Amino acid sequence: GAVVSQHPSWVICKSGTSVKIECRSLDFQATTMFWYRQFPKQSLMLMATSNEGSKATYEQGVEKDKFLINHASLTLSTLTVTSAHPEDSSFYICSASGRAHEAVPDTQYFGPGTRLTVL
Amino acid sequence: AQTVTQSQPEMSVQEAETVTLSCTYDTSESDYYLFWYKQPPSRQMILVIRQEAYKQQNATENRFSVNFQKAAKSFSLKISDSQLGDAAMYFCAYYGSSNTGKLIFGQGTTLQVKP
Repeated sequence: GAVVSQHPSWVICKSGTSVKIECRSLDFQATTMFWYRQFPKQSLMLMATSNEGSKATYEQGVEKDKFLINHASLTLSTLTVTSAHPEDSSFYICSASGRAHEAVPDTQYFGPGTRLTVL
Repeated sequence: AQTVTQSQPEMSVQEAETVTLSCTYDTSESDYYLFWYKQPPSRQMILVIRQEAYKQQNATENRFSVNFQKAAKSFSLKISDSQLGDAAMYFCAYYGSSNTGKLIFGQGTTLQVKP
């Protein structure tokens, strides 16, 4: 139980284009979803927190106009990297927490991540 | 502000042996949760174990157990009978009632398992 999927698992795009990453909770309702960025051999860096139906809360230093987050339903959140540049290349991970049989309260369950490469 | 510290960047253990990964944290809250997550080479974050601060009993999950010392603010992970599949980066994480759901992660410890 408590499975989170993420799509795509990897993407390569040209500089200046936009890329959308989807995060879905498959067997529970995610009241809150989180987006992280991770550099090799480093810890996870929280980018933003989103609650269903409301605007995302961004961490200090994260450009909200560049990293657009939409939490349209209790099972889906999307991260759009707009006008991507090579410095946006990274590993992006989503997580979800919720209240349901499959999900333990106050616990984050993580998606498998998306590797973004911007040429 | 809460902080989580993992002072061991790398550890190694012989297959079938036991290893302990250290984690300390700092908080003024009384109500919180602590977690250990595993990130293997696939980079999928996997929940290993969860501990509620109000529980005195240490959490266990099969070969994984914790030593939770609330007064010392210490939360170590013990892996018994280590297996090759345990090789991964391990993250200690803190969740407090004032964090609005956010996890605070330690720096991570890379565990190597030698055959």
